[in-house]
Amino acid sequence: AQSVSQHNHHVILSEAASLELGCNYSYGGTVNLFWYVQYPGQHLQLLLKYFSGDPLVKGIKGFEAEFIKSKFSFNLRKPSVQWSDTAEYFCAVIIVFSGGYNKLIFGAGTRLAVHP
Amino acid sequence: DGGITQSPKYLFRKEGQNVTLSCEQNLNHDAMYWYRQDPGQGLRLIYYSQIVNDFQKGDIAEGYSVSREKKESFPLTVTSAQKNPTAFYLCASSRTGSSYNSPLHFGNGTRLTVT
Repeated sequence: AQSVSQHNHHVILSEAASLELGCNYSYGGTVNLFWYVQYPGQHLQLLLKYFSGDPLVKGIKGFEAEFIKSKFSFNLRKPSVQWSDTAEYFCAVIIVFSGGYNKLIFGAGTRLAVHP
Repeated sequence: DGGITQSPKYLFRKEGQNVTLSCEQNLNHDAMYWYRQDPGQGLRLIYYSQIVNDFQKGDIAEGYSVSREKKESFPLTVTSAQKNPTAFYLCASSRTGSSYNSPLHFGNGTRLTVT
């Protein structure tokens, strides 16, 4: 069955530290990839997305993610985190089946806490 | 402002009772979704609807039912058959359900507690 794995459930960093959150998926066909973020008390928001083209995509607030097809990965990165990046981050994958049907699968999420 | 409205924010029910969670969107999106969010398990798809009057089961549909009589509304009923109904429920919509380049927009969620 298709699945999405986020390796770290909790990450604690100091401000200005670099961030990398891992995301791997299990499906050999066409996929489209997303990172969503949920700030405390707020609803889920789209952070960035990859459909095709340059595998390094840039999103809002200085985040970027790299799609490595051979590794089935879509890791999220930020060179220097801020306290305001404290949130829960979800990797999501759309599995594109033939016939126009697609299925969106979420990872379990990673809680990031950034200390001043 | 366009968006998705879920109500109520908190809902309490006694075991054995059915309960319906509301989800309304004014984004003119064709597709709507219900997810359940549990700690450490991410978001799991309950039901989704790509167009009005049509819906499909997701990964964990047992004990739930939905309807899609209007484009803007996609209510979810948690029935007494759902064995572990206490959870945080998220409704989402996307411009289309068949195109893969339609990111989801989420509501603020409803936290259901069944005792």
